[in-house]
Amino acid sequence: KAGVTQTPRYLIKTRGQQVTLSCSPISGHRSVSWYQQTPGQGLQFLFEYFSETQRNKGNFPGRFSGRQFSNSRSEMNVSTLELGDSALYLCASKQDQETQYFGPGTRLLVL
Amino acid sequence: DAKTTQPPSMDCAEGRAANLPCNHSTISGNEYVYWYRQIHSQGPQYIIHGLKNNETNEMASLIITEDRKSSTLILPHATLRDTAVYYCIVRVVRDDKIIFGKGTRLHILP
Repeated sequence: KAGVTQTPRYLIKTRGQQVTLSCSPISGHRSVSWYQQTPGQGLQFLFEYFSETQRNKGNFPGRFSGRQFSNSRSEMNVSTLELGDSALYLCASKQDQETQYFGPGTRLLVL
Repeated sequence: DAKTTQPPSMDCAEGRAANLPCNHSTISGNEYVYWYRQIHSQGPQYIIHGLKNNETNEMASLIITEDRKSSTLILPHATLRDTAVYYCIVRVVRDDKIIFGKGTRLHILP
């Protein structure tokens, strides 16, 4: 079974721009979670989607948003990018109430 | 989620068993112990999890003390590819989010 895939793997943007990241979960997994990893803050939870509904949300500003499609694929969007948004963005999927499996991440650099 | 405490770093000789400790003294009865590892700049990789019994899979063994206040992840024959940050997490299975601590940076020495 294929693992979690994320696109793109690397991205460079400038301040003020917006960005959309994509995540395809493991087949059959309906839950998708997003995390941000920075050297200073470590791995932090952004939000989780299940059956196209946001089920849980971390402590991030409204510039960070997401959505999930009927095929369980998910996107996250960051608007008005700031330098501090440079990070590794990780997506994880799971069947409900099971183990989360992570994708390889998208490395975003904001200049 | 309960807080976990791990040593910031550890060394292990290649070919030897790597024993990574984790303290979780406030763990609740319905919380599992999970271990993930993250090799540089990659996504975290699931290793193993358990509730109260010891567990073993193709990657590692998990030893949980009888009072469940601590556990040890054992990599039986460490190789250079096991160099990574290892995260010990306790969580209720139904929880949607994982709260990561700082983990243990394991160095495998040739």
